[in-house]
Amino acid sequence: GDSVTQMEGPVTLSEEAFLTINCTYTATGYPSLFWYVQYPGEGLQLLLKATKADDKGSNKGFEATYRKETTSFHLEKGSVQVSDSAVYFCALSEDDSGYALNFGKGTSLLVTP
Amino acid sequence: DAGITQSPRHKVTETGTPVTLRCHQTENHRYMYWYRQDPGHGLRLIHYSYGVKDTDKGEVSDGYSVSRSKTEDFLLTLESATSSQTSVYFCATSDTYNEQFFGPGTRLTVL
Repeated sequence: GDSVTQMEGPVTLSEEAFLTINCTYTATGYPSLFWYVQYPGEGLQLLLKATKADDKGSNKGFEATYRKETTSFHLEKGSVQVSDSAVYFCALSEDDSGYALNFGKGTSLLVTP
Repeated sequence: DAGITQSPRHKVTETGTPVTLRCHQTENHRYMYWYRQDPGHGLRLIHYSYGVKDTDKGEVSDGYSVSRSKTEDFLLTLESATSSQTSVYFCATSDTYNEQFFGPGTRLTVL
């Protein structure tokens, strides 16, 4: 079945450092890929998405490119801020389960001043 | 943001009691979902709905049932709560494959 694997956390970075959170997936078809973010005590918010191979999703300085050849969707940001501290979830969806999301386990990011 | 509310937001209950969680949306989205979030597991799908009275099971559906009698409401019922169902429960909605919108979550503790 479909699955998502993302790097274990927690990740601790200094402000303005470069961020990469790795995400790889297995899927039977052609999934859509997502990054969601969860701030402390809140629900999940969509950060960015890509619906087909080679698409690049971007938002708030974050980027991720849908790489079918490596089945990856790594999240990157050139310069993180303290306000980026949160838990980041990589996820995929396919149409065989009502587009339900299949999540990775999440990566906790802490950015220190 | 999509208008999604969950009730209650917090609940403590005893093992063996029935519990119903409610998700209400104002966006007229076709699809609705229930997930549970546990440390080390991320979010896992419990049940989902693709229309009024149309529901299906997810990855961790044992011990849970759902109902959707109106487009805007999706109920999750634990018929006889167990300690393993202590979790944070999130409802989500979508109208396409493009994006799901999440509610604020319900923290359930089963003693």
